[in-house]
Amino acid sequence: AQSVTQLDSQVPVFEEAPVELRCNYSSSVSVYLFWYVQYPNQGLQLLLKYLSGSTLVESINGFEAEFNKSQTSFHLRKPSVHISDTAEYFCAVTLYSSASKIIFGSGTRLSIRP
Amino acid sequence: DAGITQSPRYKITETGRQVTLMCHQTWSHSYMFWYRQDLGHGLRLIYYSAAADITDKGEVPDGYVVSRSKTENFPLTLESATRSQTSVYFCASTKGESNEQFFGPGTRLTVL
Repeated sequence: AQSVTQLDSQVPVFEEAPVELRCNYSSSVSVYLFWYVQYPNQGLQLLLKYLSGSTLVESINGFEAEFNKSQTSFHLRKPSVHISDTAEYFCAVTLYSSASKIIFGSGTRLSIRP
Repeated sequence: DAGITQSPRYKITETGRQVTLMCHQTWSHSYMFWYRQDLGHGLRLIYYSAAADITDKGEVPDGYVVSRSKTENFPLTLESATRSQTSVYFCASTKGESNEQFFGPGTRLTVL
């Protein structure tokens, strides 16, 4: 069975500081990996995804995540955060073969201090 | 506009009443999903549908009923609402190829 662990439920950081949100997964078969973002009072939006190819994937707003197969991790990073990045971030995995088998992590709340 | 919409956005009801939450998508996505989001639990899958007239249970289906007579609609019914069903409900759909899910804006349901 697949599972996703987000190790930090809350991460407070100062504006313009770097941040890393951790995500580990377990699966015996190949998976796709995603990070979703949820801004206050909104639904989830896709931030970035890893399907295949380069293990480093980037979003349009400066976030990046690296797929590490040996460590079964997909940590999310940003070198300098802004107030507007305040949100909850969810890591998710899904099987190559099944659109219905998506597993979400419990989420990490990123709060940015001025 | 194309997308996925949910209605109502907010609903207050009483214990024992029947409530239906609506979900509509304009992409003709095959798969649709219902999740509930509660503090400390993240997102939990209630039901999903692979196509019209095909539905299946997720992680927390008890107390909920779904139907999918048309590809674009996927209503969720609470037949007899309970306080434990107070939550934020999200509908989502997926193209299938990359399994990326697209989410609606959510319905905040309060059961008194």
